[in-house]
Amino acid sequence: NAGVTQTPKFQVLKTGQSMTLQCAQDMNHNSMYWYRQDPGMGLRLIYYSASEGTTDKGEVPNGYNVSRLNKREFSLRLESAAPSQTSVYFCASRFLTGYNSPLHFGNGTRLTVT
Amino acid sequence: GQQLNQSPQSMFIQEGEDVSMNCTSSSIFNTWLWYKQDPGEGPVLLIALYKAGELTSNGRLTAQFGITRKDSFLNISASIPSDVGIYFCAGQPADRGSTLGRLYFGRGTQLTVWP
Repeated sequence: NAGVTQTPKFQVLKTGQSMTLQCAQDMNHNSMYWYRQDPGMGLRLIYYSASEGTTDKGEVPNGYNVSRLNKREFSLRLESAAPSQTSVYFCASRFLTGYNSPLHFGNGTRLTVT
Repeated sequence: GQQLNQSPQSMFIQEGEDVSMNCTSSSIFNTWLWYKQDPGEGPVLLIALYKAGELTSNGRLTAQFGITRKDSFLNISASIPSDVGIYFCAGQPADRGSTLGRLYFGRGTQLTVWP
């Protein structure tokens, strides 16, 4: 049982390049999330999808787009990467949007934008 | 937006010592979660709390859901070197109308354990 799988694990981009971060979960979870983690800032929510077919902005959505491709997959796209988007990106999922359902995280994608 | 204040920001302790960290919110939460993140990995759930006043243990870890529903603490007893990492609190606001599906995270407590 793989849980939450993110690809790639590492990526280096030049300013202005685009890329898509992939996330898939095999736990039949309804809700999926994208966070970024920067030193001293904790985990900040970029976008989330409470259920298949819906997406909503989090705290820091600017410069990103998302697609909930199906129940398993939730991708994050950077259309024109900027150095400020250098960060570690985590995908997470949970079974229900109800209160008694913790998040399960992937192992992250480490992105550097030069 | 929602604010979670987690303290302390970092701790340097000797092996065998007990550790305590806490998290407070500006509004009422109906879920508190504690995660640990090892270097190079994603956060892993340690303890989940769903009821005000609830006290839950997981080995040497104990966490409590504050009775005001605005705070939670995590204690680690008899620390060992593998306890090193970043500990995050997270919470689900009770007002789910505006924040359905969202969890809010503290900024983390970096724990260093000296042998």
